[in-house]
Amino acid sequence: QVQLQESGPGLVKPSQTLSLTCTVSGGSISSGSYYWSWIRQPAGKGLEWIGRVYSSGDTNYNPSLKSRVTISVDTSKNQFSLRMSSVTAADTAVYYCARGRFLEWFDPWGQGTLVSVSS
Amino acid sequence: SYVLTQPPSVSVAPGKTAWITCGGNNIGSKNVYWYQQKPGQAPVLVIYYDTDRPSGIPERFSGSNSGNAATLTISRVEDGDEADYYCQVWDTSSDHPVFGGGTQLTVL
Repeated sequence: QVQLQESGPGLVKPSQTLSLTCTVSGGSISSGSYYWSWIRQPAGKGLEWIGRVYSSGDTNYNPSLKSRVTISVDTSKNQFSLRMSSVTAADTAVYYCARGRFLEWFDPWGQGTLVSVSS
Repeated sequence: SYVLTQPPSVSVAPGKTAWITCGGNNIGSKNVYWYQQKPGQAPVLVIYYDTDRPSGIPERFSGSNSGNAATLTISRVEDGDEADYYCQVWDTSSDHPVFGGGTQLTVL
């Protein structure tokens, strides 16, 4: 059973870069026709898809965040990562990693990690 | 980009039926997915391909999709069903997934 676990700093200063890693266990990040996504949720608000990466390294991003986001994959470590530059308080949210398939749903999800942007 | 509209809240008495809608332009032509999110937890898939339930999801959860609205129906509602519910589709024009704003289900 595939499981995902987010890790990274819980506090980032404004204008700096947010960096998170998602470790996949119970299966290979390279198997099947899956992609690997980051999704965030500000407190009390809804879900926002950030972007996705395939094990090949191909990526696709939410147009509203594309200029600040990079998602990469390290198949040797069974991990994928998120980098978001020039963060502001509006980027404070719980960040989830999740597995998906083209035109389909997200399952499973990581437990989520809270990232606060504050000086 | 494609927009999904959900009512912010729905209230229902225990044992009754709750209907949560998800509106979108010609959403009936898309596959709709529903997630349940309890406080402090990650979303969990409860319906896929409009009507199918993953293993472990009670038969009380069902879905439908036609025209400009998809509906998640929860029959014989229990206290444990109290949660936020999100619909999701793929916006093929922009090649990315879209979530509805979420509906908070309150069990009275």
